[in-house]
Amino acid sequence: RKEVEQDPGPFNVPEGATVAFNCTYSNSASQSFFWYRQDCRKEPKLLMSVYSSGNEDGRFTAQLNRASQYISLLIRDSKLSDSATYLCVAHGSSNTGKLIFGQGTTLQVKP
Amino acid sequence: EPEVTQTPSHQVTQMGQEVILRCVPISNHLYFYWYRQILGQKVEFLVSFYNNEISEKSEIFDDQFSVERPDGSNFTLKIRSTKLEDSAMYFCASSDINSNQPQHFGDGTRLSIL
Repeated sequence: RKEVEQDPGPFNVPEGATVAFNCTYSNSASQSFFWYRQDCRKEPKLLMSVYSSGNEDGRFTAQLNRASQYISLLIRDSKLSDSATYLCVAHGSSNTGKLIFGQGTTLQVKP
Repeated sequence: EPEVTQTPSHQVTQMGQEVILRCVPISNHLYFYWYRQILGQKVEFLVSFYNNEISEKSEIFDDQFSVERPDGSNFTLKIRSTKLEDSAMYFCASSDINSNQPQHFGDGTRLSIL
C-alpha cells in the first residue's frame, strides 16, 4: 500500500464549480498533514495545513479524519488560476521532518 | 516574503562527474531538507538536516550523496559520481521552530545527466 495515496485525476471542471479531492495515508503515527499546490515543473507551494477540526482558508476547506486515515480538500467557486496539481502530504512518524508526498491530483479548470 | 533560493536553476553534467547543488534556506529556519522529483513522478524525500547533522536519510541517499552547511547560510547537496538515473528536479526546503512545521521549498535545480 502506498504511504500517501491520491486519485491522480485529471479533474476537468468548469469555472465556478466545486471540486473535492481525497487522500488516504497508511501510517497512523503521522502527526501533521498538508496540502501543497504544484504548477507544471515548479516547486510545491504550501496551500494549507490540515487539522482534525477542519480548517478553511477562503474558498479552500481541508478536513482530516484520523480514524479513517483520510484527508480531503474542497475548492469552492473554482477559478482558472486554480488549475494545478494538488499534493497531499504527510509528515513521517519520526521527528525529523520528513515529508511523504502523494502522487498528486491534477485539476484543470476550464472557462 | 522570505524565500528559499537555489542555484543553479539548471545543471547539465556528464555521467560520472560530481555536482554540487546549492541552497540558501530562509534565514531563521533551523531544519533543512532535500527532495527530488523525477519527471512525471512524485516528490521523494532524500535527507533532513538539523543542528549540523543528518537526522534522517532515505534509501535513495546512498554514499554517493552528501550534504553540508559550510558557512551557516548555504546548504549544499553533493553527488559524487552522477548516474543517468540521478536526472531529476532537486528541491531544497526549510522549516522553523520544529520539524512538524510546514516546509517552504526553493524553486529547484533541474539536473540533467548525459
